[in-house]
Amino acid sequence: GAVVSQHPSRVICKSGTSVKIECRSLDFQATTMFWYRQFPKKSLMLMATSNEGSKATYEQGVEKDKFLINHASLTLSTLTVTSAHPEDSSFYICSARGALGYEQYFGPGTRLTVT
Amino acid sequence: RKEVEQDPGPFNVPEGATVAFNCTYSNSASQSFFWYRQDCRKEPKLLMSVYSSGNEDGRFTAQLNRASQYISLLIRDSKLSDSATYLCVVFNNAGNMLTFGGGTRLMVKP
Repeated sequence: GAVVSQHPSRVICKSGTSVKIECRSLDFQATTMFWYRQFPKKSLMLMATSNEGSKATYEQGVEKDKFLINHASLTLSTLTVTSAHPEDSSFYICSARGALGYEQYFGPGTRLTVT
Repeated sequence: RKEVEQDPGPFNVPEGATVAFNCTYSNSASQSFFWYRQDCRKEPKLLMSVYSSGNEDGRFTAQLNRASQYISLLIRDSKLSDSATYLCVVFNNAGNMLTFGGGTRLMVKP
């Protein structure tokens, strides 16, 4: 399957700071990228959908000013968690989809811990 | 009612057993269906797409019943390495996104 990378894999930050997570499609052009978060033993929760070159579409209840998403190229999307709080601690996973097909390929995830 | 529902399990089975999971979806307009596998603290990985005619990949068989709006996954000759959470996933063209079920946990024991 297609390869999606995510960086960093793990990050610990202090409350009030911002954290940027990168998601890259390595061997295909991702016209659409998705950002999810997952709490322990819970299902994936879609946060937002982004198409290259346009603004992200956020799911209900997700603050767009807190979770900034940029999808500047067909291979890179970034999620910035601004003014992080301990309740933002979670597993953040991106996925990417090409122009053809509906399958999404997931990055390895970023485990964020806010102290 | 959740859009995609799965029995969370866990299903505890011995090695070599055959196990089946079902999943129901509520949106009759759903177009594409998938099974993903997620290991603990890892990202989901695509296991197989589910086609209307049913499809098989080695020990794994997926079936789709549009009339009853359910999808199934059958695993034959279970291996210890099959232990994971299996996610039923539905694609809705209208929303242009995947909707995940809560997952079914499988534990294969020696």
